[in-house]
Amino acid sequence: EAAVTQSPRNKVAVTGGKVTLSCNQTNNHNNMYWYRQDTGHGLRLIHYSYGAGSTEKGDIPDGYKASRPSQENFSLILELATPSQTSVYFCASGDVSSYEQYFGPGTRLTVL
Amino acid sequence: GQQVQQSPASLVLQEGENAELQCNFSSTATRLQWFYQHPGGRLVSLFYNPSGTKHTGRLTSTTVTNERRGSLHISSSQTTDSGTYFCAIGGGGSALGRLHFGAGTQLIVIP
Repeated sequence: EAAVTQSPRNKVAVTGGKVTLSCNQTNNHNNMYWYRQDTGHGLRLIHYSYGAGSTEKGDIPDGYKASRPSQENFSLILELATPSQTSVYFCASGDVSSYEQYFGPGTRLTVL
Repeated sequence: GQQVQQSPASLVLQEGENAELQCNFSSTATRLQWFYQHPGGRLVSLFYNPSGTKHTGRLTSTTVTNERRGSLHISSSQTTDSGTYFCAIGGGGSALGRLHFGAGTQLIVIP
């Protein structure tokens, strides 16, 4: 199974501060994804990437930026964090032949 | 865009009973993936099943793409099956690699 790790696992931030969530995968998957999970909404796609240097907007990109500096790493950046961004964030990587996705353990972000 | 409906929203079973979780989607799709989320939060892929029927242990996934539906059958449920099950749909008119998630079915199995 794909190995996807996320850091930090828990983060408390202040309103207006900058937050960076990191994701690393070791299976050489081209595709990577960032989702947030909130009660009643399931998982919603924020940004995704088809490979190093590429980022694409998902369904709820406002307030978020993404960066894919390498095949292995995909970051989600909140330049000016707001309390509405309090959530659990999941990173996933995907195989290009089947597009099956493998998830990381999640990061719980609280913005005060 | 793709809409994914899961039913039931929640389900309580006595240990040993069977469960059938449903997934219906609004638009053409070429793949369906089932995930299990542990109460602690991690999502684990159960099945990647574009079409047909697949079995793993007590779990059976059936996907009928042209009818826009899928199902997950859990036989002889155990307390360790408790958690949330998500259906996710991709392909068709969606951007390459994208998955659209349903809201999940929360399963509670009591001893």
